[in-house]
Amino acid sequence: QSVVTQTPSASGTPGQGVAISCSGSSSNIGRNSVNWYQHLPGTAPKLLIYNNNKRPSGVPDRFSGSKSGTSAFLAISGLQSEDEADYYCAAWDDSLNGVIFGGGTKLTVL
Amino acid sequence: QLQLQESGPGLVKPSETLSLTCTVSDGSIRSSTYYWGWIRQPPGKGLEWVGSIYYSGTTYYNPSLKSRVTISVDTSKNQFSLKVNSVTAADTAVYYCARHDAATHNWFDPWGQGTLVTVSS
Repeated sequence: QSVVTQTPSASGTPGQGVAISCSGSSSNIGRNSVNWYQHLPGTAPKLLIYNNNKRPSGVPDRFSGSKSGTSAFLAISGLQSEDEADYYCAAWDDSLNGVIFGGGTKLTVL
Repeated sequence: QLQLQESGPGLVKPSETLSLTCTVSDGSIRSSTYYWGWIRQPPGKGLEWVGSIYYSGTTYYNPSLKSRVTISVDTSKNQFSLKVNSVTAADTAVYYCARHDAATHNWFDPWGQGTLVTVSS
């Protein structure tokens, strides 16, 4: 069964940087684009990074994405209180023949 | 700016059918580029892709739900719909609709605000 794994939680203080990881396999992250979403409770998820490292218009350059092999990473620099949210990675999975989401990482800004 | 809005009953009885509609505004559902998708989030859990549809009616579904899910499109109303039959408490979730870039990088954007569907007698 295809699985994409994220660390359940991460934290940092204002101004710091933090990295969130996303681990998959050759059927998903290893050969397909990774996208990242920011989800604040009670709101619609927001596309944060697409195609591994591209930022949609309006997303601050404090957010950056990268991919290496079957893992992907979301880096946030200069943490702000409004960055406190759940972050999800997602990718197409060739075995599933569909989109698979990671379990999500809850980011706390201390 | 493209907007999506989910609508439908917030309460469904076990074993019955969950039905939701997503209305697309400020843009056409008859896009040659994009699919239109459904994603759900059970309480306290993560996001789960349910399925997606092209304006021509071509669909693909999450294999774990495929036997119970039907997604359809009504281009005249700029809407697409989701049906999940034989629901159980495990289908309780916030259901989101979103535009799906299925042709290239498989991102979802924008998303609707979401609608909570509770399965309970």
